Amino acid sequence: DSGVTQTPKHLITATGQRVTLRCSPRSGDLSVYWYQQSLDQGLQFLIQYYNGEERAKGNILERFSAQQFPDLHSELNLSSLELGDSALYFCASSSLGQGTVDSPLHFGNGTRLTVT
Amino acid sequence: LAKTTQPISMDSYEGQEVNITCSHNNIATNDYITWYQQFPSQGPRFIIQGYKTKVTNEVASLFIPADRKSSTLSLPRVSLSDTAVYYCLPDTGRRALTFGSGTRLQVQP
Repeated sequence: DSGVTQTPKHLITATGQRVTLRCSPRSGDLSVYWYQQSLDQGLQFLIQYYNGEERAKGNILERFSAQQFPDLHSELNLSSLELGDSALYFCASSSLGQGTVDSPLHFGNGTRLTVT
Repeated sequence: LAKTTQPISMDSYEGQEVNITCSHNNIATNDYITWYQQFPSQGPRFIIQGYKTKVTNEVASLFIPADRKSSTLSLPRVSLSDTAVYYCLPDTGRRALTFGSGTRLQVQP
């Protein structure tokens, strides 16, 4: 158990709809990352938050947005969904702000989104 | 960002030692080298991390030469349950992490 909790585990919705994915990081971790993994594809980095602030942005579509709340949980909002958005969405957390000390990512088990 | 190069796939048999090498020619001074394992439909799992020379834990060993331009993950006596995708990442923990395509290891009986 990585300590990272993602809900829901599965989500089925129709094109054009909007969904919210939720992530609770490991206790004490300040940083949250969101990744997208389509079938048989690699992990595509979407966005990173650190202690409530956006830290880095990857290949995230304008239809997607995220935020990290004061209690450090994070939500990824996907809107105007398209068939191609069907994928596994992973959240990971790490403890940053420790100088050059390494800080591995700890991943949740993902939310499987199916857009029909 | 340091770019990594790994073999796309590898095959092995149960009981063998498997070595997966990753090239990271422009690794930064502050980067640690981290390896992750991913099973189908699961999130990647941290395996091992090192900065230089050799690191060993209960799961694997990591060998990093002095120039740090490559690293080798060594899995001793693999079993069927080691069938997974393995990713290497240079990692300072301070910036976005880009996973490459990884190495798909298939262990056969």
